[in-house]
Amino acid sequence: QSVLTQPPSVSAAPGQKVTISCSGSSSNIGNNYVSWYQQLPGTAPKLLIYDNNKRPSGIPDRFSGSKSGTSATLGITGLQTGDEADYYCGTWDSSLSAGGVFGGGTKLTVL
Amino acid sequence: QVQLVQSGAEVKKPGASVKVSCKASGYTFTSYGISWVRQAPGQGLEWMGWISAYNGNTNYAQKLQGRVTMTTDTSTSTAYMELRSLRSDDTAVYYCARGGGFYDSSGFHYYFDYWGQGTLVTVSS
Repeated sequence: QSVLTQPPSVSAAPGQKVTISCSGSSSNIGNNYVSWYQQLPGTAPKLLIYDNNKRPSGIPDRFSGSKSGTSATLGITGLQTGDEADYYCGTWDSSLSAGGVFGGGTKLTVL
Repeated sequence: QVQLVQSGAEVKKPGASVKVSCKASGYTFTSYGISWVRQAPGQGLEWMGWISAYNGNTNYAQKLQGRVTMTTDTSTSTAYMELRSLRSDDTAVYYCARGGGFYDSSGFHYYFDYWGQGTLVTVSS
């Protein structure tokens, strides 16, 4: 059971927009910054979004991030077949057992 | 360019130990932390801990306390993760990633901007 909650799967057609939610609590998302990662099959995760809504160099502006309260959202517009992957949210949890935490991952299918 | 290159796959028996290395290049090693994340077959990402390459301070996941040790060798820009008393449920791909954290007035910044290629550790009798 992951500390952060994501939907197991989402799907949309090429060219469309999709959002992936990530729900947490005041000890993690509510008071810390959120990051998002894309994992293509058989490869290491790749940073897509950091500090809630910032994109590393080379990440297209089709990818966006936002945070409100204890939830965060990843948005992807202009879907491409190459976006089909697993997506994970992550943050720091400041509870007694402080440490990094991830969501369970969301499988994006581009129909 | 920043690169993290990990050691090769390992097969271990239950009760044994494994030590995975992660050699960094393309940046000043002591300016960033190294975190370790693992992924069991068909499962999600699990945070294991991180080490400051600057001063060697560590923070381990509570469930691994006592079994895991993370170290660095600044002379070779290499980080190491040793896991002891291996069990079958430790079978996973182990990743190192560049990432440490810091607090500001709005919270804790913590993310992983570069990842190693992963090391498969199989625990089987």
